[in-house]
Amino acid sequence: EVQLLESGGDLVQPGGSLRLSCAASGFIFSSYTMNWVRQAPGKGLEWVSSISGTGGTTYYADSVKGRFTVSRDNSKNTLYLQMNSLRVEDTAIYYCAKALGDSEYWGQGTLVTVSS
Amino acid sequence: QAGLTQPPSVSKGLRQTATLTCTGNSDNVGSQGAAWLQQHQGHPPKLLSYRDNNRPSGISERLSASRSGNTASLTITGLQPEDEADYYCSAWDSSLNAWVFGGGTKLTVL
Repeated sequence: EVQLLESGGDLVQPGGSLRLSCAASGFIFSSYTMNWVRQAPGKGLEWVSSISGTGGTTYYADSVKGRFTVSRDNSKNTLYLQMNSLRVEDTAIYYCAKALGDSEYWGQGTLVTVSS
Repeated sequence: QAGLTQPPSVSKGLRQTATLTCTGNSDNVGSQGAAWLQQHQGHPPKLLSYRDNNRPSGISERLSASRSGNTASLTITGLQPEDEADYYCSAWDSSLNAWVFGGGTKLTVL
């Protein structure tokens, strides 16, 4: 059974940093592109970043480019999102998602709140 | 990054048929195909259909998806109370090198 468990969400001040993790199980982690997608309170889904199975290719939304960094450790079956220079508008539930548009599966999400 | 266009809301009666639409362009829906997601309040999204009309195992046969040009559609027949949810479409945009989502359609079953 596929499982994705996000962690690391917290309350942080504007300009601060946070690192999210997503622990994966139930599938061959290194074979799949992994993604971060966020959802602001009461709003729709917004893609944040994707990383290929090897970690060699990454993509970012314009809204986070230069501030967020996606990475993965295939030996630990874990996906990461390093978030720097956080802004109030980054407040959202951050979901880890396996293989968007294919054998897609979403975690339960972790809440990031950016507020002073 | 521009998103896909979905109507904000659709209302249909119990046991009726609802068709939800999602319009993109030739760089995303038109060439890459679309996926459909269902999200109930307080829960993560769940995949209903991918690459236009492929339905994952366990998804009800009352749901079917299709595409015509740059517009994808999700049809739900025999509407049930549990179908009331937010529905999102998504597609890879080969020009932006980004995933794009629709704004979501809130389906109300009367």
